[in-house]
Amino acid sequence: QLQLQESGPGLVKPSETLSLTCTVFGGSISSSGYYWGWIRQPPGKGLESIGNVYYSGSVYYNPSLNRRVTISVDTSKSQFSLKLSSVTAADTAVYYCARLYDSYGYSDYWGQGTLVTVSS
Amino acid sequence: EIVMTQSPATLSVSPGERATLSCRASQSVSSSLAWYQQKPGQAPRLLIYDASTRATGIPARFSCSGSGTEFTLTISSLQSEDFAVYYCQQYNKWPQTFGQGTKVEIK
Repeated sequence: QLQLQESGPGLVKPSETLSLTCTVFGGSISSSGYYWGWIRQPPGKGLESIGNVYYSGSVYYNPSLNRRVTISVDTSKSQFSLKLSSVTAADTAVYYCARLYDSYGYSDYWGQGTLVTVSS
Repeated sequence: EIVMTQSPATLSVSPGERATLSCRASQSVSSSLAWYQQKPGQAPRLLIYDASTRATGIPARFSCSGSGTEFTLTISSLQSEDFAVYYCQQYNKWPQTFGQGTKVEIK
């Protein structure tokens, strides 16, 4: 059974960089046809796609966050990572990692999510 | 980006009754539509993809219809475990976008 697990700091200061890692267990991060993505959900609000990465390194970034986002993959560790720079309180959210069918398809496996709060 | 609009925001239903949730896209998404269920403190769970295909393990009481810009999720007979928030998502164009959610609560 595929499992995903987010890890990283739960508190980030304004203007700094948010960094999260997702580790994939029980399956291959190099599976053909699947992308790996980050999705966030501000408290009490809806879901927003941040970006997706393929095991080859090909990425899609949401244009609304494009200039601040970097997503990378490390196949040797079965991990992919998110960096979001210049954070503000508006970036406070639960951050989920997920597996996507195709480049930006539906997400069939999700991590449990990790709350990141931006505050000084 | 494609805007997804769900209605109603909240749906009050008695157990055993039928629930009908709507999702509208600002432009055609063909059949590239998914539905998710989310319970408090949990990650979303995939229910439906490609507009009408149930994901693995999803009971037959969940069904979806529609294509293009108008979609409907029907839960034929609500069980206690079905009370949750439901999101639709389009993946026809990047960025994939979600509706704001419909909360199905106990009447």
